[in-house]
Amino acid sequence: GQNIDQPTEMTATEGAIVQINCTYQTSGFNGLFWYQQHAGEAPTFLSYNVLDGLEEKGRFSSFLSRSKGYSYLLLKELQMKDSASYLCAVRAGANNLFFGTGTRLTVIP
Amino acid sequence: EPEVTQTPSHQVTQMGQEVILRCVPISNHLYFYWYRQILGQKVEFLVSFYNNEISEKSEIFDDQFSVERPDGSNFTLKIRSTKLEDSAMYFCASSPGQGAGNTIYFGEGSWLTVV
Repeated sequence: GQNIDQPTEMTATEGAIVQINCTYQTSGFNGLFWYQQHAGEAPTFLSYNVLDGLEEKGRFSSFLSRSKGYSYLLLKELQMKDSASYLCAVRAGANNLFFGTGTRLTVIP
Repeated sequence: EPEVTQTPSHQVTQMGQEVILRCVPISNHLYFYWYRQILGQKVEFLVSFYNNEISEKSEIFDDQFSVERPDGSNFTLKIRSTKLEDSAMYFCASSPGQGAGNTIYFGEGSWLTVV
């Protein structure tokens, strides 16, 4: 089975940097994905990591350590519109994604 | 930008009724999925579909559920006899291939309320 843990809630200030951690235990690991989800909307793809290291995409970066079962999503220059849930998801086996419960990020002025 | 589209966006149905949720995956994608999210809970995998057959399904996807690709563009989820606990947001998703690096793209969801 899969076990994915991430903090339930975080608060950060506009313009700041925030790091959202995710730890996982899974069999057949085949990549880790981060999605953003605004309330009542679909998950929107942000980034993925298959190999260890840092992947950077504009204001968003994601890091993976497979040996530690650990990933983080780094958001820089926070904006109010970044207030959302951030979902860590592990691809196990060929295809399917298994999601954590998500971290609800609130950005305050 | 191509996207996954779903209909209806919201459906209210009585317990015991059949429901069909419809999806049009991204046109060049080969793998299709249904996920659901009960209010306030995590996104849960239901089923994946490739080459006109189910490739994987979860424990949630019991005999009350079925999927079909009736033509070259649509992908449907049928719930034969709905229960109150089936109330959830149902997301259709698709990906171009399988394995590492193939991103799964989600539709906007169909919100099902069973009363």
